[in-house]
Amino acid sequence: DVKVTQSSRYLVKRTGEKVFLECVQDMDHENMFWYRQDPGLGLRLIYFSYDVKMKEKGDIPEGYSVSREKKERFSLILESASTNQTSMYLCASSLEGLKVREQYFGPGTRLTVT
Amino acid sequence: SQKIEQNSEALNIQEGKTATLTCNYTNYSPAYLQWYRQDPGRGPVFLLLIRENEKEKRKERLKVTFDTTLKQSLFHITASQPADSATYLCALDLYSGYSTLTFGKGTMLLVSP
Repeated sequence: DVKVTQSSRYLVKRTGEKVFLECVQDMDHENMFWYRQDPGLGLRLIYFSYDVKMKEKGDIPEGYSVSREKKERFSLILESASTNQTSMYLCASSLEGLKVREQYFGPGTRLTVT
Repeated sequence: SQKIEQNSEALNIQEGKTATLTCNYTNYSPAYLQWYRQDPGRGPVFLLLIRENEKEKRKERLKVTFDTTLKQSLFHITASQPADSATYLCALDLYSGYSTLTFGKGTMLLVSP
């Protein structure tokens, strides 16, 4: 079974702090994704990566950056956390190929910025 | 702009009945459509994928249809059980060139005993 793990289930940070969210997958997937999920807005793509050191902006990249130094690990960075970044953050991974593949999600990190 | 619509109101049904959830989209022709299940406080779990040239796909008690003319997918759960209660998300590949998905906001299904 594909396993996607996220570093924390719950996180509380203060406004202005730098926040790191870590995601690790164990199935050698090429693609990795970061989403945030908010009530009434659904899942929104922040950033994704299709290879080591490669990254692409999703729908809402402002205020975030990412890092992918190893294939199995994809980090989301909030350079200066703000209260409007309070949300559930979900990481996912998928195989690359000629067709769109199903995504495997981690358990999520519920981040509260105070 | 591209849009994916799922019924925002919860669907309440009785155990044993068939649940039918709808996913409509506009302004695009996706090659694939996927359905996911999400339980409260957890990440979505992949259920089924259907391609544009497939009309119907089945997996155990689940059935998905894909009508590219109507731009609609229907997701059916037959003989529903209380354990099927969850939020169901549809997702489409709306961007060419990358393996990204755009998700609908989901419909909550509540199956009562």
